[in-house]
Amino acid sequence: QKEVEQNSGPLSVPEGAIASLNCTYSDRGSQSFFWYRQYSGKSPELIMFIYSNGDKEDGRFTAQLNKASQYVSLLIRDSQPSDSATYLCAVMRESGAGSYQLTFGKGTKLSVIP
Amino acid sequence: DVKVTQSSRYLVKRTGEKVFLECVQDMDHENMFWYRQDPGLGLRLIYFSYDVKMKEKGDIPEGYSVSREKKERFSLILESASTNQTSMYLCASSVTGGKGYTFGSGTRLTVV
Repeated sequence: QKEVEQNSGPLSVPEGAIASLNCTYSDRGSQSFFWYRQYSGKSPELIMFIYSNGDKEDGRFTAQLNKASQYVSLLIRDSQPSDSATYLCAVMRESGAGSYQLTFGKGTKLSVIP
Repeated sequence: DVKVTQSSRYLVKRTGEKVFLECVQDMDHENMFWYRQDPGLGLRLIYFSYDVKMKEKGDIPEGYSVSREKKERFSLILESASTNQTSMYLCASSVTGGKGYTFGSGTRLTVV
């Protein structure tokens, strides 16, 4: 069973601080990694994806990947109360015929305190 | 933007009923997926399809079936609904090539 592990939280950070969300995965052959944000009662929405070792930045968000350690993280700079949500880490695996599946972690709940 | 539309936002059904959940996407995506999401269990894959009339079992297919007669539509069928199928059901679609999924808004199903 391929697993994706996240700390369930809640992770509480003050407004303006950096929030750091972490994820580990078990399948060493995993190629691509995704971060989704899910507000309460809503469906997940894609924030970022990363497939190369190192950092990838998009606005206030930075995804970090270390394949040797099987570790991916999401940093949110200048956290805002509107960032309060559950963040899902997802790992891509091939499932044949050119298709793929995402395996999701259970999510980390982030609370940004004004 | 890709739009994935699920036919019902909330649904209440009785035990033993046959239930159809419909999902339609408008961007010609090859791949479509059905997940259920439960507190503490996260998102679990029920079935997926990578082409018309093709289907593959996910991690928890028991008690469910699917149909994909047209590329844009992927239906989830609960043959005989049970109370343990009360959940949030999420449909998603994607292109082949690994750029992530787009999710529908979800159907919260309650079986009484």
